[in-house]
Amino acid sequence: QQQVKQSPQSLIVQKGGISIINCAYENTAFDYFPWYQQFPGKGPALLIAIRPDVSEKKEGRFTISFNKSAKQFSLHIMDSQPGDSATYFCAARSPTEYGNKLVFGAGTILRVKS
Amino acid sequence: NAGVTQTPKFRILKIGQSMTLQCTQDMNHNYMYWYRQDPGMGLKLIYYSVGAGITDKGEVPNGYNVSRSTTEDFPLRLELAAPSQTSVYFCASSYSPFSGANVLTFGAGSRLTVL
Repeated sequence: QQQVKQSPQSLIVQKGGISIINCAYENTAFDYFPWYQQFPGKGPALLIAIRPDVSEKKEGRFTISFNKSAKQFSLHIMDSQPGDSATYFCAARSPTEYGNKLVFGAGTILRVKS
Repeated sequence: NAGVTQTPKFRILKIGQSMTLQCTQDMNHNYMYWYRQDPGMGLKLIYYSVGAGITDKGEVPNGYNVSRSTTEDFPLRLELAAPSQTSVYFCASSYSPFSGANVLTFGAGSRLTVL
């Protein structure tokens, strides 16, 4: 079962538009929520992350909005550019017996049209 | 500074063959992970290790084995390859999952096809 549900599966946005990707979770033990960006043929790379005690975090054109009560969080990409075209994964950190691990959403393929 | 290095980048296996995917990191990270990525399914954790000699199962460990004899290396062994193991495999490492950042550094991936 998917512990972190991500939508949409794919997204097409015009250059200059806003890209929005949503994620939802059930496990209240999750304690950290990063987003990863992956370009074709490459491994994922950390983009931005948020703690559950913060409702919003902004880094440049990228913003995470977090709603703890609804157990939802989202990534907003402002002024989307063709160079933002990539696959985006939301993730949640889960405690384990030996430490923590990350659980990933299914990914969103973003295409920004110029 | 090479980061996380995976070999091979591509491999085609026949059903029933065995092979080892190699992963090495030069960042002195204690924690290492193996994920598989399938279209529309995201990244699924296969195995992880919190240090030399300590490994644990992830979400999808069946058909795989790992070992961690050194801090740098974390090979993934596929025994009796099956078509269901056709995937892209990513190795990742982090300094400490207890840190706030928990930044995973990923390798470039190994694309495996089982025919």
